[in-house]
Amino acid sequence: QVQLQESGPGLVKPSETLSLTCAVSGYSISSGYYWGWIRQPPGKGLEWIGSIYHSGSTYYNPSLKSRVTISVDTSKNQFSLKLSSVTAADTAVYYCARADLFCSGGSCFLRAFDYWGQGTLVTVSS
Amino acid sequence: QSVLTQPPSVSAAPGQKVTISCSGSSSNIGNNYVSWYQQLPGTAPKLLIYENNKRPSGIPDRFSGSKSGTSATLGITGLQTGDEADYYCGTWDSSLSAGPVFGGGTKLTVL
Repeated sequence: QVQLQESGPGLVKPSETLSLTCAVSGYSISSGYYWGWIRQPPGKGLEWIGSIYHSGSTYYNPSLKSRVTISVDTSKNQFSLKLSSVTAADTAVYYCARADLFCSGGSCFLRAFDYWGQGTLVTVSS
Repeated sequence: QSVLTQPPSVSAAPGQKVTISCSGSSSNIGNNYVSWYQQLPGTAPKLLIYENNKRPSGIPDRFSGSKSGTSATLGITGLQTGDEADYYCGTWDSSLSAGPVFGGGTKLTVL
């Protein structure tokens, strides 16, 4: 069974960098699939942040692209999120998820986000 | 404002059927797969439907999905109190803002 587990600080100061890691078990990241981050502000809907392939190929949400870096460590079977210059608007539950996504010839098709972590609340406050 | 439009809430009695709509455009639903997620209070989203109408292993056939043109629908029959949750549709948007997009979510109340 594929399992994902987020970890990282639950409190980040404004203007600093939010850093989270997602540990994957039950499946080798090197075997395929995209791996991504999705967030949910309190009481609001889901927002995709970005996704990464085991080769390092990435897609980022254009509205966050200038502040986001997603990386993968296949030796540890985990991937990470860094979001810089955070503000209170970045307060949210952050989920990591596996994306059943395939891209070819400039087009991408998303079957689903099929496995999700339990989520971790990150609060941005001084 | 979400790229995909869902009704904020729907309600029905136990045992009844309910449908939740998800409206998009030719740059997303019209040319890509739709997936549906159930989010019970305080938990992570869970995949209910993928590739428009397929159910992952373990999802009961009370849940169904369909797509027509630029809209999709989630159907739930034999409603149970345990189905009370938020439901989200998702797909890939191929516009300038290329990437996964979600609906704003629909709160299902089982009266």
